[in-house]
Amino acid sequence: QQQVKQSPQSLIVQKGGISIINCAYENTAFDYFPWYQQFPGKGPALLIAIRPDVSEKKEGRFTISFNKSAKQFSLHIMDSQPGDSATYFCAASRRAGNTGKLIFGQGTTLQVKP
Amino acid sequence: GAVVSQHPSRVICKSGTSVKIECRSLDFQATTMFWYRQFPKQSLMLMATSNEGSKATYEQGVEKDKFLINHASLTLSTLTVTSAHPEDSSFYICSASGVAGGSYNEQFFGPGTRLTVL
Repeated sequence: QQQVKQSPQSLIVQKGGISIINCAYENTAFDYFPWYQQFPGKGPALLIAIRPDVSEKKEGRFTISFNKSAKQFSLHIMDSQPGDSATYFCAASRRAGNTGKLIFGQGTTLQVKP
Repeated sequence: GAVVSQHPSRVICKSGTSVKIECRSLDFQATTMFWYRQFPKQSLMLMATSNEGSKATYEQGVEKDKFLINHASLTLSTLTVTSAHPEDSSFYICSASGVAGGSYNEQFFGPGTRLTVL
């Protein structure tokens, strides 16, 4: 019940295309859903995050769509660029009685072809 | 955004020696710090959570006597890998969260430390 399942494992997109990565969770107590971007040999960096009281959040070319009833959320990267090539991780955590421990998905390696 | 540093960025040591990795929050007070390890092409695995001034809470399966964590101040946490062996070779990443470090639950990650045990 603590798992976060992420798909696909890898993704190849043409420059200018839309990259879509999906995550699903079981624990309905989760109330914070961030996405991280990680380049090889670097630590993850927060890209965008959402709380379950909204269904969508957009920041620049990055959008999170959240479906509370389906317990799913996804990351959409519009106008994908070669510089977006990285590994993306979704995560989930809950606030109440918790230190903010994140449960990570398995990761998606994105390659954007020029 | 908040900045977290790690030192060293890369370390190579002989089997049986101990290695200390430092994690610092540079511009905020980190009430909680987390230590992760990451194997190639895998996700981050949480090893332990530490709060300033108290003992770390280790995840199931992580040997607390092998991975010593100290969170002595609001800006510094250390991870010591004792009697390191080749199977401990991995990418170790810390993260920090705190009152001034961003919105609730937001963790800021360090750049990671590549440990190679020969």
